[in-house]
Amino acid sequence: DGGITQSPKYLFRKEGQNVTLSCEQNLNHDAMYWYRQDPGQGLRLIYYSQIVNDFQKGDIAEGYSVSREKKESFPLTVTSAQKNPTAFYLCASSPPGQGVAYNSPLHFGNGTRLTVT
Amino acid sequence: QKEVEQDPGPLSVPEGAIVSLNCTYSNSAFQYFMWYRQYSRKGPELLMYTYSSGNKEDGRFTAQVDKSSKYISLFIRDSQPSDSATYLCAIFYNQGGKLIFGQGTELSVKP
Repeated sequence: DGGITQSPKYLFRKEGQNVTLSCEQNLNHDAMYWYRQDPGQGLRLIYYSQIVNDFQKGDIAEGYSVSREKKESFPLTVTSAQKNPTAFYLCASSPPGQGVAYNSPLHFGNGTRLTVT
Repeated sequence: QKEVEQDPGPLSVPEGAIVSLNCTYSNSAFQYFMWYRQYSRKGPELLMYTYSSGNKEDGRFTAQVDKSSKYISLFIRDSQPSDSATYLCAIFYNQGGKLIFGQGTELSVKP
């Protein structure tokens, strides 16, 4: 079955450590996205990538980094510079040319819950 | 003021009730309106989308858009316990190329 796989489901880290969240998709989608979800704040866009080897900052990119070396993969690194890293992180993808509108929805993974203490 | 406002709830209703979920938005240039459903510890999934004022039905779900009031609604008829989830409105701003999510409303349907 096609879909988006995020791993691990739960992740615990000590403050000051970088951590990388995995996102893999087999939907053959060009565009991929990282969102952060906090209680009462909805989803906020961290980074997105429309094609391989290219990515753009979203609304809250500070303290995060990404890479897009393969179409299928879009890992997110939460660095020690991110002041409030504890959150639920969601990866999504969409086909080319349709993005986030029309009848082509964002396909989401099931998220990684990161806890930093 | 947030660009999209949604009452976070929680909202609790008995099985069979009609549920009304609402969002308001501030930018009249917003063009595409979506509702996502998110079960606990899962990613959101698209439930409905529309781009024009008026109603759109899909089974027990009706999405309503009032562009003059900048108000969107999702109605659920004959609600079921399986409808218990968080419902997120999302609005696409074509000119800015942005998809903006509401805070989400947590719904619980009691048997």
